[in-house]
Amino acid sequence: QVQLQESGPGLVRPSQTLSLTCTVSGGSIRSVGYYWSWIRQHPGKGLEWIGNIYYSGSAYYNPSLKSRVSISVDTSKNQFSLKLTSVTAADTAMYYCARNRGWSGESDFDYWGQGTLVTVSS
Amino acid sequence: QSVLTQPPSASGTPGQRVAISCSGSSSNIGSNTVNWYQQFPGTAPKLLIYNNNERPSGVPDRFSGSKSGTSASLAISGLQSEDEADYYCAAWDDSLSGLWVFGGGTKLTVL
Repeated sequence: QVQLQESGPGLVRPSQTLSLTCTVSGGSIRSVGYYWSWIRQHPGKGLEWIGNIYYSGSAYYNPSLKSRVSISVDTSKNQFSLKLTSVTAADTAMYYCARNRGWSGESDFDYWGQGTLVTVSS
Repeated sequence: QSVLTQPPSASGTPGQRVAISCSGSSSNIGSNTVNWYQQFPGTAPKLLIYNNNERPSGVPDRFSGSKSGTSASLAISGLQSEDEADYYCAAWDDSLSGLWVFGGGTKLTVL
């Protein structure tokens, strides 16, 4: 059973960089055909895909966040990470990591982390 | 404003059949498969339906999905109190450089 666990600061100052890590257990992040995503949910709102990465390092981002987002992978630690720069209060959200089973049009998110709440405030 | 459109709320009584709609466009639902996620308060979303109408292992067959053109639907038959949750549809969108898009979510209340 694949498990994902987010970790990182719960409070980030405005204009600073939000950094989160997702640790994968019960399976290898190098598994062929699986991508690893970050998704966020603003309080009381719907879901927003931030981006994802393949174990090779190829990353794909939501165009609306692309200028501020970077996703990286550390296969030796079975982890992938999110960096979001120049944060504002609008980036306050629950951040989830999830596994993409397959790519693009015929894919889904089959495993999710429990989520971590990040608040942007001074 | 979500790319996929869902009704904000739905309701039914135990035993009833309820359907939740999800409307999109040719660049998302019209050309890609639809997934549905179930989310209880304070928990992460859970994959409920994938590839338009497939159920992951462990999901009761009371849940079913369908797709036609640029719209999709989640049906729950034999409604139970434990089905009260938020439901989200999702699909890949081929516009721009491609991205995942979600519906705004439907809160299902079991009366």
